[in-house]
Amino acid sequence: DSGVTQTPKHLITATGQRVTLRCSPRSGDLSVYWYQQSLDQGLQFLIQYYNGEERAKGNILERFSAQQFPDLHSELNLSSLELGDSALYFCASSPWTIPVYEQYFGPGTRLTVT
Amino acid sequence: AQKITQTQPGMFVQEKEAVTLDCTYDTSDPSYGLFWYKQPSSGEMIFLIYQGSYDQQNATEGRYSLNFQKARKSANLVISASQLGDSAMYFCAMIETSGSRLTFGEGTQLTVNP
Repeated sequence: DSGVTQTPKHLITATGQRVTLRCSPRSGDLSVYWYQQSLDQGLQFLIQYYNGEERAKGNILERFSAQQFPDLHSELNLSSLELGDSALYFCASSPWTIPVYEQYFGPGTRLTVT
Repeated sequence: AQKITQTQPGMFVQEKEAVTLDCTYDTSDPSYGLFWYKQPSSGEMIFLIYQGSYDQQNATEGRYSLNFQKARKSANLVISASQLGDSAMYFCAMIETSGSRLTFGEGTQLTVNP
């Protein structure tokens, strides 16, 4: 158990809908990272927050947004969902602005868009 | 831009034998970190081992060791005394310390045969 929690574990929804994925980092970790793992794109970095502020942005679509709250949990919002958004979404956390040693991954949320 | 290449989509090994999973990387940043993660069929990402670009010695963690050849830009994972539970997808990843995102390779599916 990495100490990072993600809810829900599974999510099935229809095209055009909006969903929110939630992540709680390890106690004391200030950085939260979101990754998407899909069959055709592999594992891709989406976005990083550090202590509430957006720190780095990767291949995140405009339909997607994220935020980190004062209690350090983070939410990834996916809207106008398309079939291609079906993927495993990981949250990871680390104590620092950059993961000098390692990032601790949560168990992931498996999103299925039908 | 940083890039990770894993050229072995699948590997097979007999139980109790050693296996090497290949990883090459490309970066212009002199300071970086290299990681290996294991992803079993359940989906979670499990950190295995880390090597910093300035580390003089190859990293080891139990049955895992990282064969780091800086001049060749390779960071192969060696698993000794393979166990059936080692069957999983293995990802090599890199972070440039000037950045904050992990870049992953495409993964190698390892199957350990009894």
